[in-house]
Amino acid sequence: SYDLTQPPSVSVSPGQTASIACSGDGLGNKYVYWYQQKAGQSPVLVIYQDTKRPSGIPERFSGSSSGNTATLTISGTQALDEADYYCQAWDISTAVFGGGTKLTVL
Amino acid sequence: QVQLVQSGAEVKKPGASVKVSCKASGYSFTTYGISWVRQAPGQGLEWMGWVTAYKGLTYYAQNFQGRVTMTTDTSTSTAYMDLRSLRPDDTAVYYCARGGWELRPLDSWGQGTLVTVSS
Repeated sequence: SYDLTQPPSVSVSPGQTASIACSGDGLGNKYVYWYQQKAGQSPVLVIYQDTKRPSGIPERFSGSSSGNTATLTISGTQALDEADYYCQAWDISTAVFGGGTKLTVL
Repeated sequence: QVQLVQSGAEVKKPGASVKVSCKASGYSFTTYGISWVRQAPGQGLEWMGWVTAYKGLTYYAQNFQGRVTMTTDTSTSTAYMDLRSLRPDDTAVYYCARGGWELRPLDSWGQGTLVTVSS
């Protein structure tokens, strides 16, 4: 089965840039999606097709992908960005999620 | 705006079945699939499969094949997920999300339904 690997946790100071990586074999040949899940809430799509932001998602969220690694970057991180972040890709018709990264803003 | 409203929490005994509903509004129900994703307490997201009202197409994750059935009712724009032979480790919040069919992103999510399996 296809696997996506994320760091369990990332910490960032308010106003700084947070980067969350997601790695998988041949990931550069697949589109990557990123979801934000705040405590007790449903996930929200924040990046689709590697780099695109859905309507309503702040510009400080951006995505990139190169080789076997995709990265979610949050510029000027705010306290309200504290959440779990999951990457996701399609392996044929199966959705695969990374294990999730807990972003702490401190 | 797109809205997905799920049915309420369920408590089931091991070996039983559960059927969760997801009522869609704010878009054309037949042009998008509905995916089902679950999240065990304190754990990550696990994709279960998708269903579309278009010809009743389905695609299930290998882990759930033979135990899950996903259906739709176009008259009410509602998707259903039926999970059988429940085990305690099926205890989780079950989400529906728009997307999946044609590899579309999961761009709108329901509020989640807690299913507890306990004797």
